[in-house]
Amino acid sequence: AQKVTQAQTEISVVEKEDVTLDCVYETRDTTYYLFWYKQPPSGELVFLIRRNSFDEQNEISGRYSWNFQKSTSSFNFTITASQVVDSAVYFCALSPFSGGGADGLTFGKGTHLIIQP
Amino acid sequence: DGGITQSPKYLFRKEGQNVTLSCEQNLNHDAMYWYRQDPGQGLRLIYYSQIVNDFQKGDIAEGYSVSREKKESFPLTVTSAQKNPTAFYLCASSDRLGDEQFFGPGTRLTVL
Repeated sequence: AQKVTQAQTEISVVEKEDVTLDCVYETRDTTYYLFWYKQPPSGELVFLIRRNSFDEQNEISGRYSWNFQKSTSSFNFTITASQVVDSAVYFCALSPFSGGGADGLTFGKGTHLIIQP
Repeated sequence: DGGITQSPKYLFRKEGQNVTLSCEQNLNHDAMYWYRQDPGQGLRLIYYSQIVNDFQKGDIAEGYSVSREKKESFPLTVTSAQKNPTAFYLCASSDRLGDEQFFGPGTRLTVL
């Protein structure tokens, strides 16, 4: 069985601070994909990144960066110099690369990030 | 513009009534999904479909039914057998296995 744990239910920081959202996962698959999605108040999920399990290089996209560590089964997300527009619920998700059907994603429960001006 | 549409945005129904939620995509994606989100919870998979005329149960399929008669459309019916249907429902699609899923704006269903 797969499981994604986002232990931080809610984080509140002041604008311009850096913030890291934690994600720990469990899977028996040797190959899999990890994702981060953003859900603003409007409700629609916005795709941020996909990482496959055999690529452990960290990735940076503007103010966003991701740290994938297979040894600790973690895929953490850092926002540098946070802005009020970053306020949202962020979900980490896991998908098996089963080679079979198009399985759905297993989501964590999300971290509500509040950026105060 | 390419994307996923869900209608209606808000839906109210009386207890015991079946209700169908619409999901349409023009991304030419093969795979489509339905998720349910409850307050403070992550998304849970209800049903998914890899190709037309084929669909599979997800983690919480009881009380729901789907059809996939066309590639673009994947409607979800919430039946009276669903014990707690009030929730936010999200539809998604993806091109291939493992690709990122693109989500629609969601339908908030309230059963009175």
